[in-house]
Amino acid sequence: NAGVTQTPKFQVLKTGQSMTLQCAQDMNHEYMSWYRQDPGMGLRLIHYSVGAGITDQGEVPNGYNVSRSTTEDFPLRLLSAAPSQTSVYFCASSYSDTDTQYFGPGTRLTVL
Amino acid sequence: QKEVEQDPGPLSVPEGAIVSLNCTYSNSAFQYFMWYRQYSRKGPELLMYTYSSGNKEDGRFTAQVDKSSKYISLFIRDSQPSDSATYLCAMRRPSGTYKYIFGTGTRLKVLA
Repeated sequence: NAGVTQTPKFQVLKTGQSMTLQCAQDMNHEYMSWYRQDPGMGLRLIHYSVGAGITDQGEVPNGYNVSRSTTEDFPLRLLSAAPSQTSVYFCASSYSDTDTQYFGPGTRLTVL
Repeated sequence: QKEVEQDPGPLSVPEGAIVSLNCTYSNSAFQYFMWYRQYSRKGPELLMYTYSSGNKEDGRFTAQVDKSSKYISLFIRDSQPSDSATYLCAMRRPSGTYKYIFGTGTRLKVLA
């Protein structure tokens, strides 16, 4: 099993550009989440999904969109990148809502 | 006020020392408590997962939850240089909500 994979590892964007961060898991997990990690702020939940076709907002959803068309994939879209979205983004998945969350290796995003 | 407070450190200890890491929280609805370890430029990995109050031991690691004081702790016995990492506490409300709240993390350095 590859576990949770994220692409790209690094990305530099200009203000106003859009992009999609990819997340995939091969563990047949129903639950998936996106977090951002900033110095002094810890991990903050952006969006999450409890199954294909079902998504909900987390703590900091503004400026981000998600969709879940398959169990395996949970992409995060930045609609119009802003410098405030410079961060490290982590995707996580779990089998159930009380089960262990497994994190991906992260995507380091810089918005100029 | 943040829902979860955690001292960012850094905390430096000699090899073999007992390490105590702590978090306080304000929301009495939290029922699930977790500790994650995060090595530099890696994703968090789950160390300990406890439900409600009490102690849980796993090898050199002991997690304690005191719901009456809204205080959780992670103890590391016989600390090793390989324990040098950032330790994140996390918690969530009862089953049915999939929103985890993370502390900011405590950076630990174990000196050989």
